[in-house]
Amino acid sequence: EAGVVQSPRYKIIEKKQPVAFWCNPISGHNTLYWYRQNLGQGPELLIRYENEEAVDDSQLPKDRFSAERLKGVDSTLKIQPAELGDSAVYLCASSFGGYEQFFGPGTRLTVL
Amino acid sequence: AQSVTQLDSQVPVFEEAPVELRCNYSSSVSVYLFWYVQYPNQGLQLLLKYLSGSTLVKGINGFEAEFNKSQTSFHLRKPSVHISDTAEYFCAVSENNNNDMRFGAGTRLTVKP
Repeated sequence: EAGVVQSPRYKIIEKKQPVAFWCNPISGHNTLYWYRQNLGQGPELLIRYENEEAVDDSQLPKDRFSAERLKGVDSTLKIQPAELGDSAVYLCASSFGGYEQFFGPGTRLTVL
Repeated sequence: AQSVTQLDSQVPVFEEAPVELRCNYSSSVSVYLFWYVQYPNQGLQLLLKYLSGSTLVKGINGFEAEFNKSQTSFHLRKPSVHISDTAEYFCAVSENNNNDMRFGAGTRLTVKP
């Protein structure tokens, strides 16, 4: 069984540029999560989807961040424009039926 | 809302020695508890979880953890560590299976030869 797939694995951009991350969850998993992990910290939830619906986006900085999960499968997370403080690892996870989350390898974003 | 405190940011230990990574949580309701491991440049991998039942939980790679409700703790232990156990370990808590998981700041375990 394939795990959670994320791309790109690494991204370096200059500030004020846009950037997008893509996530393909484990087949059949209806819940999808995006987390941000700052250096030396644990993951912090940005947004959670149940199928196509964003059910928890309270921690998503909506002025510059957006996300979508069309057809309830793949998801993209976008930042526009990026700021220096957005440098972090962005993790995608998925689950079915709750509690156990399976994580992808993450995208390491560096904003110069 | 629930929260997690990992009491040690770094734990150095020699190979074949025992290790304990400490985790305390705060919640007003019943919780599910988890330990994840993160190797460099990789995502998080589940080591073990407590949902209900026996308070002693065994996981992969020889790790185990004990849920202590009175002390609101969920410490991770291994009787004999290997070099390959060097990684970042995260404790996490979820309230009543509400899909809202909170992570601690992590403990970096370094196993030295």
